[in-house]
Amino acid sequence: AQKVTQAQTEISVVEKEDVTLDCVYETRDTTYYLFWYKQPPSGELVFLIRRNSFDEQNEISGRYSWNFQKSTSSFNFTITASQVVDSAVYFCALSEAKDSSYKLIFGSGTRLLVRP
Amino acid sequence: KAGVTQTPRYLIKTRGQQVTLSCSPISGHRSVSWYQQTPGQGLQFLFEYFSETQRNKGNFPGRFSGRQFSNSRSEMNVSTLELGDSALYLCASAIIGLGLAEAFFGQGTRLTVV
Repeated sequence: AQKVTQAQTEISVVEKEDVTLDCVYETRDTTYYLFWYKQPPSGELVFLIRRNSFDEQNEISGRYSWNFQKSTSSFNFTITASQVVDSAVYFCALSEAKDSSYKLIFGSGTRLLVRP
Repeated sequence: KAGVTQTPRYLIKTRGQQVTLSCSPISGHRSVSWYQQTPGQGLQFLFEYFSETQRNKGNFPGRFSGRQFSNSRSEMNVSTLELGDSALYLCASAIIGLGLAEAFFGQGTRLTVV
């Protein structure tokens, strides 16, 4: 069965620290997509990144970077020099295909608190 | 470009009542999906609509239903509300399907059943 595990329920760091959010997934599909979303207190899920299963290149976007390793089924997310505005709940998700339809399977989320 | 709009933002209903939530996707997006978020169960997929057809459905009772109109706007309906239906209901739109492109989410409708 498809599954996404975010073992870290809550992380608290001081501003300017680097922090890594872990994501481990399970899937039998050979083609799949992985996502990270940020959920600020306002509630909407903000898209951060999508990665397909054939692209294991790491990606960097400003202070954000992602490490995708198929060998360990992990898709970890690092925030460098964290800021108070990074405080939010972060979700890792896996897309599951059924016929021509897709749905996202979310992990339980990691609440990140960045203290000034 | 306008984002995904969900209305209403907040709703309080009594057990046994029914409720209808609305979602207007981003212009040009034909896929609309609904998710329920609760503290206990997390984010769970309800259903997905594409070109007015339900393509996929999650593991929810028949009290949960939805539809999509020709302009891609979608509604979801919950009948005979139960206390456990209290949740944040999120709608997502995508050009074709969530796996093929990034999905954009609305701010959600927070439903409280008393």
